Amino acid sequence: SQQGEEDPQALSIQEGENATMNCSYKTSINNLQWYRQNSGRGLVHLILIRSNEREKHSGRLRVTLDTSKKSSSLLITASRAADTASYFCATDGETSGSRLTFGEGTQLTVNP
Amino acid sequence: DTEVTQTPKHLVMGMTNKKSLKCEQHMGHRAMYWYKQKAKKPPELMFVYSYEKLSINESVPSRFSPECPNSSLLNLHLHALQPEDSALYLCASSQRTSGYNEQFFGPGTRLTVL
Repeated sequence: SQQGEEDPQALSIQEGENATMNCSYKTSINNLQWYRQNSGRGLVHLILIRSNEREKHSGRLRVTLDTSKKSSSLLITASRAADTASYFCATDGETSGSRLTFGEGTQLTVNP
Repeated sequence: DTEVTQTPKHLVMGMTNKKSLKCEQHMGHRAMYWYKQKAKKPPELMFVYSYEKLSINESVPSRFSPECPNSSLLNLHLHALQPEDSALYLCASSQRTSGYNEQFFGPGTRLTVL
């Protein structure tokens, strides 16, 4: 069963605006990752944040992690139409070995 | 080479057919995965191979049979599938088998079972 929940399920914004997606999880983790998936394609790894990190940046992406609240957020700044995709968080649990648990995903639409 | 390739891209099969999905990576990764993904849902883990040995089977029906012939190849043999098995099947690989575990995904095989 999926332990991650993402919020919102769908988000529609205008080009140039910022997009924020949230992820909550239930068990202790080694790290949390964010993936992007264009329609009908494979997933692309975006960023990984370790359990002892609180914030990480990569280009226009900013990820935060609050292990006390078991939650993470992904911020995409200055969004572009090409950012339109589904975004999934995935957790690598302390006891899950190589198993990643994916959240339900957020469908982001960036309107030109 | 930093990609995972999957063939075929699309597959249509009847419930009595036998077919195979193939996955290949040349990144020297030691773990390989099969996922099933239905529309608008997250990927569901099916199998994990670690150092060419099956390490995780998520209670997948026996009509799905994985095989890892060598460290670069992963197959998924399909037999007597049901229409509800229609989905996008994703292969992935990772350098490590636990801990820091960024996974690299292939583009998937879109399977339709008639």
